[in-house]
Amino acid sequence: DVQMTQSPSSLSASIGDRVTITCRSSQSIIYYLNWYQQKPGKAPKLLIYAASNLESGVPSRFSGSGSGTDFTLTISSLQPEDVATYFCQQNNKTPLTFGGGTKLEIK
Amino acid sequence: EVQLVESGGGLVQPGGSLRLSCAASGFTFSSYWMHWARQVPGKGLVWVARIDSTGFSTDYADSVKGRFTISRDNAKNTLFLQMNSLRAEDTAVYYCARGDSSTLGHWGQGTLVTVSS
Repeated sequence: DVQMTQSPSSLSASIGDRVTITCRSSQSIIYYLNWYQQKPGKAPKLLIYAASNLESGVPSRFSGSGSGTDFTLTISSLQPEDVATYFCQQNNKTPLTFGGGTKLEIK
Repeated sequence: EVQLVESGGGLVQPGGSLRLSCAASGFTFSSYWMHWARQVPGKGLVWVARIDSTGFSTDYADSVKGRFTISRDNAKNTLFLQMNSLRAEDTAVYYCARGDSSTLGHWGQGTLVTVSS
């Protein structure tokens, strides 16, 4: 199975900060990487697909990059509503696998 | 508006069975792959199974293979997950999701399954 490792596992930042979350896969997944946002008590929501494509309706402050084994989710200017846990997911091979999550809080 | 509403969760004893349902509305159900994923509260996400739009192709995580069966009724816009030989480690919130073969694009609100004696 493809193992997905996220870092950091938790993060505290101030409003307006630029925030970066990293996801690494145990083998190359080319660009087959999705990012999800899960707010407390809610279901996950797709943010970014194919490493860098913004899902419809997602604010443009979110962006994704990377290929191969190393990927990044960036929030250009952190907003209060961005408090959530963020998960990466590889969709290159089954079983589909998720990273352990990054919990983002406001400082 | 896309809506996915899971039901059928609850408390079941180890070795027991449970059938989850996911009622879909707001889109052409028969055109989409569907998935089940699960999450122990406070923990990470785990993909469980997927089924293609016709219902003929299915895939499972190794941890549930041979015990769980994903199926769908396109006439009733409903997705199912039959769970047999349940174990304590199957305790989780189960989500259904609409997507393509490998991306979970829209998720339901989840239903809690607790396996305990």
